[in-house]
Amino acid sequence: QQPVQSPQAVILREGEDAVINCSSSKALYSVHWYRQKHGEAPVFLMILLKGGEQKGHEKISASFNEKKQQSSLYLTASQLSYSGTYFCGTEGLSGANNLFFGTGTRLTVIP
Amino acid sequence: DVKVTQSSRYLVKRTGEKVFLECVQDMDHENMFWYRQDPGLGLRLIYFSYDVKMKEKGDIPEGYSVSREKKERFSLILESASTNQTSMYLCASSLGGAGAVYEQFFGPGTRLTVL
Repeated sequence: QQPVQSPQAVILREGEDAVINCSSSKALYSVHWYRQKHGEAPVFLMILLKGGEQKGHEKISASFNEKKQQSSLYLTASQLSYSGTYFCGTEGLSGANNLFFGTGTRLTVIP
Repeated sequence: DVKVTQSSRYLVKRTGEKVFLECVQDMDHENMFWYRQDPGLGLRLIYFSYDVKMKEKGDIPEGYSVSREKKERFSLILESASTNQTSMYLCASSLGGAGAVYEQFFGPGTRLTVL
């Protein structure tokens, strides 16, 4: 049930944009996005719910295509602080509150 | 400030030992989770709990058990540690409720090495 993330890694220069994709083979109720900096705990970024509701970070945008069970995270005008590993977590339709996380996308922003 | 704490940042144990990893949250959250994180494999759910004395298996429960005697505390137990359980263990908590979706708050992690 683990979702598939792509790309596995990306290197950007400051100011460039990036898109991280998350795809599931199961029908989804919600998609969560987290960022983990090296040596630190994952930190919540955003939740996207079935039906279009979003909760989270004002400076980060994301989309959720319920029919395709896919979500994309959009990082625009990247800053050095955006570096880290991004994980998507998916929640199925059972409403069980537990997430299945992808393997992560390592984003490196260089000056 | 919300907080999830884990009993140790680093732990070294020997094969066959019984290992206890403790997690405490101060947010009165209903849900608590234990994950292990390995390079290239992401976060994999071991066990989770919706309430005191309640537990559910995640993706990889084999070799592990859990205990939740109090709402704020969730313990992960390795009954007989093996070298393939060397990993980073992350605890998380969230509010709960059927049909509700909440963010998870993570602890700093325990890096366990089994020799």
